[in-house]
Amino acid sequence: DAGVIQSPRHEVTEMGQEVTLRCKPISGHNSLFWYRQTMMRGLELLIYFNNNVPIDDSGMPEDRFSAKMPNASFSTLKIQPSEPRDSAVYFCASSIRGTPGRYGYTFGSGTRLTVV
Amino acid sequence: DQQVKQNSPSLSVQEGRISILNCDYTNSMFDYFLWYKKYPAEGPTFLISISSIKDKNEDGRFTVFLNKSAKHLSLHIVPSQPGDSAVYFCAASAGSGYALNFGKGTSLLVTP
Repeated sequence: DAGVIQSPRHEVTEMGQEVTLRCKPISGHNSLFWYRQTMMRGLELLIYFNNNVPIDDSGMPEDRFSAKMPNASFSTLKIQPSEPRDSAVYFCASSIRGTPGRYGYTFGSGTRLTVV
Repeated sequence: DQQVKQNSPSLSVQEGRISILNCDYTNSMFDYFLWYKKYPAEGPTFLISISSIKDKNEDGRFTVFLNKSAKHLSLHIVPSQPGDSAVYFCAASAGSGYALNFGKGTSLLVTP
């Protein structure tokens, strides 16, 4: 199993540009999570999906952020327009629904986003 | 509002000694608690978990203790090894329908 695959690994973009982060969860996992890591706030949940349906997006900072999961094997997190304060490491994780408390999630390697 | 708190941002321990990482939580609905380990440029990896009905879970050199009355848990690593140097995140779950809440992490450095 290749694990959770995120792309790109690094992204540098100018303020105001659109940024799209991609995630392929582990096959068979039906819950997908997007987290953001910053020094100030640690790992914070942005949004999660169960069976491709968004369940909780209360962590999405503002309307500039949007996430989709068109099918069980792909999800995107889009920032439009991007701002310097969006600079962070964005992680995608997946799990089998109903088990995150027992077995945890499997995280991808993250996308380091820098907005200049 | 941070429901899971790791108040020590860093910890330094000598190789062979015990490392104790602490975590406090505020939500009494949490039923599972987990520890994750993270190396630079990698995603967090699951280390060990404990159910709220237990007070101790052990896996090799790693033991997690849960004190529900104090809303406190700790991770003990014995003996500590240089390869244990990483950031450790405490996390908690309020049920199968909820996502994990993470603390801000504690950076552990194990020196030879």
